[in-house]
Amino acid sequence: AQSVTQLGSHVSVSEGALVLLRCNYSSSVPPYLFWYVQYPNQGLQLLLKYTSAATLVKGINGFEAEFKKSETSFHLTKPSAHMSDAAEYFCAVSEGRGGYNKLIFGAGTRLAVHP
Amino acid sequence: DGGITQSPKYLFRKEGQNVTLSCEQNLNHDAMYWYRQDPGQGLRLIYYSQIVNDFQKGDIAEGYSVSREKKESFPLTVTSAQKNPTAFYLCATSGRATGDTEAFFGQGTRLTVV
Repeated sequence: AQSVTQLGSHVSVSEGALVLLRCNYSSSVPPYLFWYVQYPNQGLQLLLKYTSAATLVKGINGFEAEFKKSETSFHLTKPSAHMSDAAEYFCAVSEGRGGYNKLIFGAGTRLAVHP
Repeated sequence: DGGITQSPKYLFRKEGQNVTLSCEQNLNHDAMYWYRQDPGQGLRLIYYSQIVNDFQKGDIAEGYSVSREKKESFPLTVTSAQKNPTAFYLCATSGRATGDTEAFFGQGTRLTVV
């Protein structure tokens, strides 16, 4: 069965610094991978997804992620953090290949951005 | 506006009560899902439905029930059998029930047992 591990439940960066949020997955088939962001007391919003086209995926708000099969990783990065990036970020892998799309979520990483 | 509407935003339940959380969508999506979110645990799937009048248990279905009588609606009932219902509940939809399709989420309902 697929699973997702997010390394670091809390990450803190300075405004303008690089953001790196780590995600490793396990999957017996080529995976579909997603990054979502959640602001306090709100639902989740899709940042980007990997569906086996390009290994470097660009998303909204300047975020991007690189799929590395050899490392089973899909880390999320942003070159320069902004205060508005403070939120919780979830990596997810899709278990669906047809029939339904069950997303398996990691435990989440809370990003803090300080001046 | 197109989207997913969850209501109420906050809900308080007394011990032994059943409560129902509403989820309505106007995205014309076939698949709908209910997730439970607890701090530090990510999201866990409670129930999902691919089509009207059909639904399946997810990973933590015990103590919950759902119905799917209309394409637009997928209400979740938290029964008295659910021993620890305090959590944030998220409804989601997807346009196609295939692995490469992202899910869209509502704004959530925070349920608290008092």
